[in-house]
Amino acid sequence: DGGITQSPKYLFRKEGQNVTLSCEQNLNHDAMYWYRQDPGQGLRLIYYSQIVNDFQKGDIAEGYSVSREKKESFPLTVTSAQKNPTAFYLCASSIAMNTEAFFGQGTRLTVV
Amino acid sequence: GENVEQHPSTLSVQEGDSAVIKCTYSDSASNYFPWYKQELGKRPQLIIDIRSNVGEKKDQRIAVTLNKTAKHFSLHITETQPEDSAVYFCAARRNSGYALNFGKGTSLLVTP
Repeated sequence: DGGITQSPKYLFRKEGQNVTLSCEQNLNHDAMYWYRQDPGQGLRLIYYSQIVNDFQKGDIAEGYSVSREKKESFPLTVTSAQKNPTAFYLCASSIAMNTEAFFGQGTRLTVV
Repeated sequence: GENVEQHPSTLSVQEGDSAVIKCTYSDSASNYFPWYKQELGKRPQLIIDIRSNVGEKKDQRIAVTLNKTAKHFSLHITETQPEDSAVYFCAARRNSGYALNFGKGTSLLVTP
């Protein structure tokens, strides 16, 4: 079954801890993205990657880091430097520029 | 990133009526404009998209129009049904990279 998978679905983190969100796709897409969703804010771009071993900062990259060692995987680390990490995180992928972006089911991160 | 403005933020219609959601964008180089539907707690899913070489596209009860000169595009849903109730997001592809800029969303409620 092809698609894009995020794990875990729910994640709780203590203040001061780093946490990594997983995103895997078997669609053979070159481009992958991370978005953050807050109520009333739409989707804001954190990081994106157009090709393996390359990634670019989005609009709200501070306090986050990513890697793209494999085409299928684009994990996001939320570091302790992120001041307000509680949010719904969405990973997406697409083949190329003018094509549909497919989203994962999201990870809801809560800082406790 | 470049802005995408979306209006209205909430929209309530009676079943069978039409619903219209409007978006404007600022990046004149944008040439791909998708619309996503997101149900509560779920991932956004593409419902229709349009590329800059056409002015209108229709898929059953859903249509999108694009005015590149004015830099605005609209979603039209006819004969609305209660299952159309969701949050709808417009987006525009960025000039650099493949990422999308999203509007803040419209919460559509269709009452029986």
